[in-house]
Amino acid sequence: NAGVMQNPRHLVRRRGQEARLRCSPMKGHSHVYWYRQLPEEGLKFMVYLQKENIIDESGMPKERFSAEFPKEGPSILRIQQVVRGDSAAYFCASSPPGHTTNSPLHFGNGTRLTVT
Amino acid sequence: AQSVSQHNHHVILSEAASLELGCNYSYGGTVNLFWYVQYPGQHLQLLLKYFSGDPLVKGIKGFEAEFIKSKFSFNLRKPSVQWSDTAEYFCAVKSGANNLFFGTGTRLTVIP
Repeated sequence: NAGVMQNPRHLVRRRGQEARLRCSPMKGHSHVYWYRQLPEEGLKFMVYLQKENIIDESGMPKERFSAEFPKEGPSILRIQQVVRGDSAAYFCASSPPGHTTNSPLHFGNGTRLTVT
Repeated sequence: AQSVSQHNHHVILSEAASLELGCNYSYGGTVNLFWYVQYPGQHLQLLLKYFSGDPLVKGIKGFEAEFIKSKFSFNLRKPSVQWSDTAEYFCAVKSGANNLFFGTGTRLTVIP
């Protein structure tokens, strides 16, 4: 049973370019979470999505960042016009439908974004 | 607002030493508590979790954690660490919402 798959593992972008990070949840999971880990900091919640719906985006920066989880295909975290401060590791996690507060999340390996 | 504090940023131990990593949270309601580990180059893995019942929780690889409600703490312990325990350890709290709140992590380095 494949775990949460994130790609690419490493992504290098120049300032002003767009970054697209992909996350395929575990088989059977319909809830996806995105977290960001800045250097020397812990994981920060960004957004929680279910299929075709954004449930909670309270952690998303107001500009340049967007996320989607279409009916078919992976979840995408999109960062437009990247800046150096966007350099971080971005982690995706998933959980099954009907999950409760008690359900732990399953994390992917993360995508390390470097903005030059 | 919820917060999770891990006061030890970097801990260095020799093999066979005992480990205790601190975790304190600020939330007055019912919480679920987790410890995750991130080995170098790998994804986060669940070490152990507390939902209810016995406040002393046993996890994988010989780790355990004790929930002390009066102290709002959930410290991670291991009696005898190994070189392979070198990793980053994250404490996390979930409080009925859908989000996990993480601490900043503690880097553990075990010297052979």
